[in-house]
Amino acid sequence: GAGVSQSPSNKVTEKGKDVELRCDPISGHTALYWYRQRLGQGLEFLIYFQGNSAPDKSGLPSDRFSAERTGESVSTLTIQRTQQEDSAVYLCASSSLAGAGEQYFGPGTRLTVT
Amino acid sequence: EDQVTQSPEALRLQEGESSSLNCSYTVSGLRGLFWYRQDPGKGPEFLFTLYSAGEEKEKERLKATLTKKESFLHITAPKPEDSATYLCAVRGRLYNQGGKLIFGQGTELSVKP
Repeated sequence: GAGVSQSPSNKVTEKGKDVELRCDPISGHTALYWYRQRLGQGLEFLIYFQGNSAPDKSGLPSDRFSAERTGESVSTLTIQRTQQEDSAVYLCASSSLAGAGEQYFGPGTRLTVT
Repeated sequence: EDQVTQSPEALRLQEGESSSLNCSYTVSGLRGLFWYRQDPGKGPEFLFTLYSAGEEKEKERLKATLTKKESFLHITAPKPEDSATYLCAVRGRLYNQGGKLIFGQGTELSVKP
C-alpha cells in the first residue's frame, strides 16, 4: 500500500516568512510524529499525535512552531517567522500502534531559509 | 537523560569485508531499540526492532543484536548497495515520552567494489 507522503518535497523561503508543511500518514495508522534533521545530524523529535489525545509537543523548539492533525489523517506543521536556523529536513512518520512499534517515515521536506 | 551514541561516524569497507556498527544507549526503561537505513535525500527505512537483551534479528546480510547497554549491526560480506547511513534509535518507558524515538547521529557506511 501507499507509504507516508509529504509535501512539498522542497521549500525555499525568505527569512521572516511563514511556511506550512504537510504529511499524509499511512492509512489506518493512529500515531503520527514530526522530526527535524539538520545537515549531518540525527533526527530530533518535534511533536507526536495519537488519536484524540492531547499531542506531545515537548520537542517543539519555540512558539514559532505549531502543528495540527485532522482526526487520524493529514497533519500540517507550521513555522512562523522562519529563521535561518530552521533550515533542515522535516520528516513525518506514522505508526499503527499507539506509542509502540516501528515508525514508518516519509521522504521529508527540505526547508531552506534564505 | 536518554541518549544514543553511534560509532564509528563513518566506515569505509571493501566489498565482502564484514564489519560491525555500534550503538550505545542510556534510557530509562527500554521499550524498543530500532535500526533504520537512510539513503541520501530519502527518509529513514525501517530495518529491525529489538526489545530485550539477547535478542537477535537478521535480514539478508544484516544482523542486529542487543545487550543491556548497546546494540550491534553486523554486516556480512557487504555489497556496494549496502552503502547508506544507518541510524539507531531507542524508545524509553517514561510516560511523558509518549512514542517518540531518540536517535543517534548515524554511521555513514561506504562499500567500495
